[in-house]
Amino acid sequence: DARVTQTPRDKVTEMGQEVTMRCQPILGHNTVFWYRQTMMQGLELLAYFRNRAPLDDSGMPKDRFSAEMPDATLATLKIQPSEPRDSAVYFCASGFWLAGSGSYNEQFFGPGTRLTVL
Amino acid sequence: KNQVEQSPQSLIILEGKNCTLQCNYTVSPFSNLRWYKQDTGRGPVSLTIMTFSENTKSNGRYTATLDADTKQSSLHITASQLSDSASYICVVSANWDFGNEKLTFGTGTRLTIIP
Repeated sequence: DARVTQTPRDKVTEMGQEVTMRCQPILGHNTVFWYRQTMMQGLELLAYFRNRAPLDDSGMPKDRFSAEMPDATLATLKIQPSEPRDSAVYFCASGFWLAGSGSYNEQFFGPGTRLTVL
Repeated sequence: KNQVEQSPQSLIILEGKNCTLQCNYTVSPFSNLRWYKQDTGRGPVSLTIMTFSENTKSNGRYTATLDADTKQSSLHITASQLSDSASYICVVSANWDFGNEKLTFGTGTRLTIIP
């Protein structure tokens, strides 16, 4: 049963601390997305990668957020320093996109990391 | 500015009844429209994806329609079950260049089914 996994599931930290969230995409998927969800804003796309290269990170506050894919099985999202307004649920999603196939980016979401910054 | 608006914000219906959720969008250039179901505490799960040329698509008791002329979509749920209680999110994709999509999300409709 292939699924996206995320760790940790819950994180409580104090303002100013570094937070790292990890995601393992579904094996074989070449596209990875990071989203943030809050009650006020709903789902927002932060960044996404294809074949480990960043395609779009325009939704991410660059001064404190960074996203990387050290290898095809791991994506990370870091916040440094964290602030209370970063409190949200962060979702990772993965999908497979093939050039010229006409397919669209079907995305499979992980269970999310609930971040609370005090 | 690309926008997706959903209505109603919340809906409560009796088990067994049908309901219809609405999604209006202003997204250009349109690529596809998706409906997701999100259970409390879980990640969204895709229900349907429709491209410009498709005007209806079903997934079990869920039927999505798309009118690309009026830029409207609806999600109809037939014979609702308690497990349908969830948030339903409409997402519209604009295909800016080959393979690079811009997704615009609605804020969702919170559906509650009561016995």
